[in-house]
Amino acid sequence: GAVVSQHPSWVICKSGTSVKIECRSLDFQATTMFWYRQFPKQSLMLMATSNEGSKATYEQGVEKDKFLINHASLTLSTLTVTSAHPEDSSFYICSARAGQGSHEQYFGPGTRLTVT
Amino acid sequence: AQSVAQPEDQVNVAEGNPLTVKCTYSVSGNPYLFWYVQYPNRGLQFLLKYITGDNLVKGSYGFEAEFNKSQTSFHLKKPSALVSDSALYFCAVRDNSGGYQKVTFGTGTKLQVIP
Repeated sequence: GAVVSQHPSWVICKSGTSVKIECRSLDFQATTMFWYRQFPKQSLMLMATSNEGSKATYEQGVEKDKFLINHASLTLSTLTVTSAHPEDSSFYICSARAGQGSHEQYFGPGTRLTVT
Repeated sequence: AQSVAQPEDQVNVAEGNPLTVKCTYSVSGNPYLFWYVQYPNRGLQFLLKYITGDNLVKGSYGFEAEFNKSQTSFHLKKPSALVSDSALYFCAVRDNSGGYQKVTFGTGTKLQVIP
């Protein structure tokens, strides 16, 4: 089946630093990738949608200058949390869709970010 | 606007008994419906989807779901629960009317299967 990986699986960083999270589709080409944020015991909040080779579309209320998304290839998207603060601590999950004809999304295992 | 409601925060069921996790949706057009399962500190795993056709959809691990258009529901079911089914279940909907629309997830239902 379709496999999506994320790296790192967990990261601890100091307040004010930046953290990059990678999302890779391992056995398919992902024309569209999604980044979600999940708070404890809550649903997934879509942060942004990225299509390969174009700028990401951010959801309302998500700061695009703080959460930088790059989808440089059909198998890789990155999320960079810039100038991280403790309130950015969360579980970040990426997902990928194979193409317009594909309906379901395949999710990565998530990245636990803790900002101290 | 589209939305998904999972009315139960938690469902408890005894091992071997049938289970149902409820989901209702609201879309302006025709829905694409999905169920995902999440184990602790993990991403979501796809279980099944309804796109068109048969209202009863069969998915992974013995799960199935029934699309009911009149009740705008898509409840997840399994005839005999296993302890290993204990996890967080998310229902999701996407409106298929015109172009790509984002998927909206429900708030999740924690399933606890009691040995």
